[in-house]
Amino acid sequence: NAGVTQTPKFQVLKTGQSMTLQCAQDMNHNSMYWYRQDPGMGLRLIYYSASEGTTDKGEVPNGYNVSRLNKREFSLRLESAAPSQTSVYFCASSDGTGGNQPQHFGDGTRLSIL
Amino acid sequence: GEDVEQSLFLSVREGDSSVINCTYTDSSSTYLYWYKQEPGAGLQLLTYIFSNMDMKQDQRLTVLLNKKDKHLSLRIADTQTGDSAIYFCAETGSNDYKLSFGAGTTVTVRA
Repeated sequence: NAGVTQTPKFQVLKTGQSMTLQCAQDMNHNSMYWYRQDPGMGLRLIYYSASEGTTDKGEVPNGYNVSRLNKREFSLRLESAAPSQTSVYFCASSDGTGGNQPQHFGDGTRLSIL
Repeated sequence: GEDVEQSLFLSVREGDSSVINCTYTDSSSTYLYWYKQEPGAGLQLLTYIFSNMDMKQDQRLTVLLNKKDKHLSLRIADTQTGDSAIYFCAETGSNDYKLSFGAGTTVTVRA
């Protein structure tokens, strides 16, 4: 009954370090997403993958890269972490990209950049 | 998706009804969602409504949609302490990958 699993749950980095956040889903969903959550701002889309083999930029992609490794896994990479990237990161998945295909979320990765 | 606005805080007495309000600006919004986030957890889908519906009821939850005024509300009947959480309103078009979220309403249930 795992759904969407994110690792790690917590991470502290120094400015300039790199980091990959991992996400895996076991619902055989086609589409996967990465969001960041900042206080008072709701969630903002960083990147998404409509299907295996495709990735596209969302609302706030600068400073991030993604890889859709296979249908199950979608990773988010910070090449050179900056304090402005301190946030809670959520991965989500859905069966498709239509509005009638609700997105299901993981529990998040809490990332602090010093 | 465009702007989605919610009030930030709501305090309600246990056993009373809670009503969380949301307004949106995108007139092409087709699906509107309510998600619940408990402390330290991810977002849990509570319910969603298609824009050709005015109301949807699911146990203690009632969603009302006024498409003319672009206003969405979530009513929780008989509010319990376990309902204390942040509630997010979100909207998207019928073939739009992008969910636009409100900032979330923190609901506190007091005894």
